[in-house]
Amino acid sequence: GIQVEQSPPDLILQEGANSTLRCNFSDSVNNLQWFHQNPWGQLINLFYIPSGTKQNGRLSATTVATERYSLLYISSSQTTDSGVYFCAGTYNTDKLIFGTGTRLQVFP
Amino acid sequence: GAGVSQSPSNKVTEKGKDVELRCDPISGHTALYWYRQSLGQGLEFLIYFQGNSAPDKSGLPSDRFSAERTGGSVSTLTIQRTQQEDSAVYLCASSLGTGTGELFFGEGSRLTVL
Repeated sequence: GIQVEQSPPDLILQEGANSTLRCNFSDSVNNLQWFHQNPWGQLINLFYIPSGTKQNGRLSATTVATERYSLLYISSSQTTDSGVYFCAGTYNTDKLIFGTGTRLQVFP
Repeated sequence: GAGVSQSPSNKVTEKGKDVELRCDPISGHTALYWYRQSLGQGLEFLIYFQGNSAPDKSGLPSDRFSAERTGGSVSTLTIQRTQQEDSAVYLCASSLGTGTGELFFGEGSRLTVL
């Protein structure tokens, strides 16, 4: 089956720093999405981004489907950005497969 | 409803008992997904529904697990003869349609099997 790898697995930042999270797919995927799971476990959809670039405040995402990767940019990080970031996509079926996650800790 | 609703939020049960977890998706969402997340781990796909049909049940860990959806709305995940390894957070999500659009998650049902 399709493999979804995320890097880095762990990231520690000081408040105000910028970061880039990466999602690599072993094959072409559709319906790529980015999620944030906060420390209380709630999963929030950040971007639905099958291709191209989108921005929402301090966050932006870019998907290059032909090269099988997606990037999530976090600028001027805040402590509330802490948590786990997941990417997910579908491949040949409607089953949304999740990546391994990037655990982000932002310290004041 | 305004969001995906799951119940119970917490369930503690004894090994060997059966449990039922409920998911009420966002109104109008035809696709419904169940995932499982063990402590500190990623999301493990269990099953998804398009309407009342489940095209892919490949993620169900064993025949002790079953799920159904009625009226294209509420879904129930049933675990029979629970085992300690079933302890996890069970997450439900819905979207407007399978293979399209954003996925919205509920807050999950935390299951602890003693």
